[in-house]
This record gives sequence, structure tokens and C-alpha cells, in this order.
Amino acid sequence: ETGVTQTPRHLVMGMTNKKSLKCEQHLGHNAMYWYKQSAKKPLELMFVYNFKEQTENNSVPSRFSPECPNSSHLFLHLHTLQPEDSALYLCASSQVGGGTYGYTFGSGTRLTVV
Amino acid sequence: QKEVEQDPGPLSVPEGAIVSLNCTYSNSAFQYFMWYRQYSRKGPELLMYTYSSGNKEDGRFTAQVDKSSKYISLFIRDSQPSDSATYLCAMSDKAAGNKLTFGGGTRVLVKP
Repeated sequence: ETGVTQTPRHLVMGMTNKKSLKCEQHLGHNAMYWYKQSAKKPLELMFVYNFKEQTENNSVPSRFSPECPNSSHLFLHLHTLQPEDSALYLCASSQVGGGTYGYTFGSGTRLTVV
Repeated sequence: QKEVEQDPGPLSVPEGAIVSLNCTYSNSAFQYFMWYRQYSRKGPELLMYTYSSGNKEDGRFTAQVDKSSKYISLFIRDSQPSDSATYLCAMSDKAAGNKLTFGGGTRVLVKP
């Protein structure tokens, strides 16, 4: 496996469910990110981790809970979501200082909340 | 005012035409500029990277940065149907650390 891998690719969940999104990177990067991409909206940064420590939480509701056990893995735990949370959730990784070098994105998880 | 402005399109061109995309920005501290391409149902992929002002060419793609006007451009020559995608600009300044600021993306359709 190379690059940034996200699973599952598609997820449909009810508002009372609990699910998790997984991201794994095989690039030796030290920073990982969660982004939300909704139709007709710019990418929204949700969380940033440097060396598995959270460095940014962009005012994300607590129904989204990130976890970064090591520099290669990132999870997004979801619970009691709302229909407006339906979107493409993208994971990305970079070397620390990714604003300078750019990110590598995964293919995303298409989430539908019903 | 958004920090980075990008026309959402769609921009429809015939095969073989030149595609011209641009972004304007307000933060004069930005010095790292990137273009990402995103195909439907895929994540964005880094297409072009430019530091500070000037031009960069890679095959059919040319990226230009005009810092005095706070304006960046991406040109695609001899466009192909496979170039149909959404193109996002992204930029940062050295103090931003990990943070990239993205435009909203321009959807491009190249018709055979």
C-alpha cells in the first residue's frame, strides 16, 4: 500500500449511530489532517496532528472526535451526527510544515447521515 | 471577504483549447502557491507548486504567480477530456506552519 488510504469509501449512518473513519499513510509523514468537503463549499479544515499531538481543532462540534495513535494512523469517531454533516471527509498527510510543501490526500469517505 | 477567491465555474472548453484558471488572494504574506486537481469521487492531488513569484512549467501545465496583484493562474495547453476535474488553488505563508488556505475550486469540463 502506498500513499494515503481511507476506509470506508462510503458510509451511510443514522443519526443515533456511532461509526469511525480510518486513515493510514505510508509516506513517512509526521503531520495528519482531517478535512470536510461539502458541495459548493471550500475545504474546511477540522483537525491537525503533528507527531500524533493535536495542534488544531477548528471549532469542530464534539460529535466529531479524532484520534491519532501514531504518526501513520488517524481516526475520526462519529456519534449522533446531523444530516448537515453529510459530506466527503478527506484525510491528508504531510511533513511538518505542510503549508510549505503541500499535502497528500486520501480518496475520502463519502458520508451520508440519514 | 474570503481569503482566497476562485470562480466555481463550470468552465467548459472544447478539446485542444487552452484552459485558463485563476485565484485572487488578500494575504500579502502568502509565498507558497499550489494547484490541486480533484477528479470526481477522489481526493485532491498536488499538480503544481510554485514558490514566490514567477512561472513554472510542467508539460502541458503552466503556473504563474503575480504577487504584486495577488493573483495566481494555471494554464492547461492542448486540453484533453481527461483534464475534466475540479482545480483548487492553495497557498500559505512561512508562519502558517502546517496550514494551507484553499480556494473553493473551479470545475472544468473538456468536451471531445
